[in-house]
Amino acid sequence: ETVMTQSPTTLSVSPGERAALSCRASQSVSSYLAWYQQRPGQAPRLLIYAASTRATGIPARFSGSGSGTEFTLTISSLQSEDFAVYYCQQYDTWPRTFGQGTKVEIK
Amino acid sequence: EVQVVQSGIELKKPGESLRISCTGSGYTFTDHWIAWVRQKSGKGLEWMGNIYPGDSDTRYSPSFQGQVTISADKSISTAYLQWSSLKASDTAIYFCARVEGDGSGFYYLNYWGQGTLVTVSS
Repeated sequence: ETVMTQSPTTLSVSPGERAALSCRASQSVSSYLAWYQQRPGQAPRLLIYAASTRATGIPARFSGSGSGTEFTLTISSLQSEDFAVYYCQQYDTWPRTFGQGTKVEIK
Repeated sequence: EVQVVQSGIELKKPGESLRISCTGSGYTFTDHWIAWVRQKSGKGLEWMGNIYPGDSDTRYSPSFQGQVTISADKSISTAYLQWSSLKASDTAIYFCARVEGDGSGFYYLNYWGQGTLVTVSS
């Protein structure tokens, strides 16, 4: 099983600032990586797939990068609605696995 | 518009059986895998397994193999997640989601249901 490890667990950021979230795979997943956002009490929402492609309707302030085992989700200027938990998920191997999540909170 | 709608809250006792549902609309139901994802209170996401309604091909993550049954009725565009004997440790929110993929496989989750809270308590 490919283990996905996200860091940090919690990221405290002021509105308008930039946030960078990390996701590391225990083995190469090529670019088969997705990112999701989950707001409190809501279902997750797809943000990024293929490591760097924004899903339909996702604002340009969200960007993804990386390949192999190291990936980053960057939010260029945090808006109030961006404070949430973010998960990465690999789809290179079975079973599909998620990271444990990074909570982005207001500083 | 693509929509995925799940059945409502469930409160069950240990040992009871349960089936929850997930109905897709706004797209050809038989053309996309449907996955089930578990989220325990305050915890992360776990991919349980998925089904291709077109031919009922079903895959289970090792952690969930033998613990649940995933099925689908394509005539009513509905997928199911079923337990034969619930345990307290099955208490969680269960999400279903449409899986994006192609002829080579199934990949990531694009359209999510609202979640079904299952509470198992005596």
